[in-house]
Amino acid sequence: AQTVTQSQPEMSVQEAETVTLSCTYDTSESDYYLFWYKQPPSRQMILVIRQEAYKQQNATENRFSVNFQKAAKSFSLKISDSQLGDAAMYFCAYSPVTDKIIFGKGTRLHILP
Amino acid sequence: KAGVTQTPRYLIKTRGQQVTLSCSPISGHRSVSWYQQTPGQGLQFLFEYFSETQRNKGNFPGRFSGRQFSNSRSEMNVSTLELGDSALYLCASTLGTGAPNTEAFFGQGTRLTVV
Repeated sequence: AQTVTQSQPEMSVQEAETVTLSCTYDTSESDYYLFWYKQPPSRQMILVIRQEAYKQQNATENRFSVNFQKAAKSFSLKISDSQLGDAAMYFCAYSPVTDKIIFGKGTRLHILP
Repeated sequence: KAGVTQTPRYLIKTRGQQVTLSCSPISGHRSVSWYQQTPGQGLQFLFEYFSETQRNKGNFPGRFSGRQFSNSRSEMNVSTLELGDSALYLCASTLGTGAPNTEAFFGQGTRLTVV
């Protein structure tokens, strides 16, 4: 079965510091997509970053970058220069090419001023 | 363009009642997925509809059902409500044609409280 595991239910980071959120997944597929979604308190879920499994280069979006280790089935999110607005629930998600998106249970990130 | 619209935003229902939630996807998107979000459980997949057909189904009892209309709008129905059905129900829309269009756009959700 395809599963996504986020082992850190909650994390805290000092403002302006760097934090890494962990995610592992299980699949027998060779082609798939991985995502990190952000859900701010009482606000809509939005896509932070996506990674195509066939691409070896790690995706980056401004202060957000991923460390994609396909053999280890690991997909961590690094947030640099953390800001108060980064406080949210972060969900790691996996999707085969033409199938549903499967989400992890989320990591709640607190930003300490 | 308009985002994903879910109605209503909040609902309070009594055990045993039934409820219908609505989701209007982004214009042009043909796939709508439904998720149940509860504290500690993350997002659990309910089902996905594409072009009026259920394409995928999660591991939920038959009390949970859905449908999609020709304009891609989708409804989700829960019958014989139980206290454990209290959750945030999220709808996500995608183009539905697979990669590279897998990015899901979410609505704000419907907060269902069963008392």
